[in-house]
Amino acid sequence: DTAVSQTPKYLVTQMGNDKSIKCEQNLGHDTMYWYKQDSKKFLKIMFSYNNKELIINETVPNRFSPKSPDKAHLNLHINSLELGDSAVYFCASSQGWDSSYEQYFGPGTRLTVT
Amino acid sequence: EDQVTQSPEALRLQEGESSSLNCSYTVSGLRGLFWYRQDPGKGPEFLFTLYSAGEEKEKERLKATLTKKESFLHITAPKPEDSATYLCAVQGLTQGGSEKLVFGKGTKLTVNP
Repeated sequence: DTAVSQTPKYLVTQMGNDKSIKCEQNLGHDTMYWYKQDSKKFLKIMFSYNNKELIINETVPNRFSPKSPDKAHLNLHINSLELGDSAVYFCASSQGWDSSYEQYFGPGTRLTVT
Repeated sequence: EDQVTQSPEALRLQEGESSSLNCSYTVSGLRGLFWYRQDPGKGPEFLFTLYSAGEEKEKERLKATLTKKESFLHITAPKPEDSATYLCAVQGLTQGGSEKLVFGKGTKLTVNP
């Protein structure tokens, strides 16, 4: 009964490939997020969806495309993978999008591009 | 641009040795300051939210405080299971007017038995 789950946990792929990461939350939350944690450990927001509507897109390359089929799912598709995309990607969810609500994070997906 | 700086980067304590972690921030209109705990190979886990200077919150051996420029996470008589990376984040605004969390780099705490 994991609250926020991500698949896969590890992803190793070559430059130029296209890959997807899936995220699901069973908390009934309205808002979901994608974060990137790089080798320097900084955790940075990439996207946020509220009720399936994109509300944050933080200057992420067009190769990254989030998709929210419903409120419980937010997937991340990455085209033409580059070495610099190697990082840990975290999905998160919250009851709402403002500071009243804490975010619940998934276990992360470690992406390695070779 | 909103910024969060945490110090020290790493801290080693003996079990029972109390200490504090620092989070200094610059943000245009603080909407909330958050503390998270992150264990190796896992996602961050929520600890506290503070909204205004002077506010304090406690949870077991942890106590978070907030001033207008910084927050402290005080750890009293820590145990080895408190070993983790502690992340501080402030709620800022995107250019589009939405709210977003801006994280610091974290403080890696190791408590030796």
